[in-house]
Amino acid sequence: EPEVTQTPSHQVTQMGQEVILRCVPISNHLYFYWYRQILGQKVEFLVSFYNNEISEKSEIFDDQFSVERPDGSNFTLKIRSTKLEDSAMYFCASNAGGRTGELFFGEGSRLTVL
Amino acid sequence: AQSVTQLGSHVSVSEGALVLLRCNYSSSVPPYLFWYVQYPNQGLQLLLKYTSAATLVKGINGFEAEFKKSETSFHLTKPSAHMSDAAEYFCAVSANSGGSNYKLTFGKGTLLTVNP
Repeated sequence: EPEVTQTPSHQVTQMGQEVILRCVPISNHLYFYWYRQILGQKVEFLVSFYNNEISEKSEIFDDQFSVERPDGSNFTLKIRSTKLEDSAMYFCASNAGGRTGELFFGEGSRLTVL
Repeated sequence: AQSVTQLGSHVSVSEGALVLLRCNYSSSVPPYLFWYVQYPNQGLQLLLKYTSAATLVKGINGFEAEFKKSETSFHLTKPSAHMSDAAEYFCAVSANSGGSNYKLTFGKGTLLTVNP
């Protein structure tokens, strides 16, 4: 069964460092998303991406964040200068563009900022 | 805009007892509704979804949920809890953000513990 894959599963970084989280969405999907879950809190929407551009972003997704689809398969989230409060689980998701709105999630990348 | 309220951040049941996890939603358009389960240190797994077909939806692991428009609810139930059901459960509502772009809005989650 097709699935969304994310790497790395866990990354530890120093405050101020750049981090890139990678995702391979399901191959025929058209819409891509990043969500974030701070430990013990709810899953929050960060950004959606379609046709090589951001279609919607939340207040969390400030200038420190960027997304890119550098080739036909990868979808990346970059945090330019990490802060302690960026420590969270980051989930990538994709959607085929159908009518049900079902998102398929990856296993997540846990980011720890020290 | 849409939102989800999950009543009870923590629910504790005995093994074999009924599980009831409550979810109420708010949406300005007909919603699609989902329940996801998250086991410790794992990702989000879809339990079941309501997509405007049958109002009683059956999912994996014996769970089901009923969409009640008049009550704006989508409560999750399971007749008999099993120890393996212990996890965090998230209710989510999806609405069209334009074109075929759907954004999921999650509730705060309900942690289910199952006592032997």
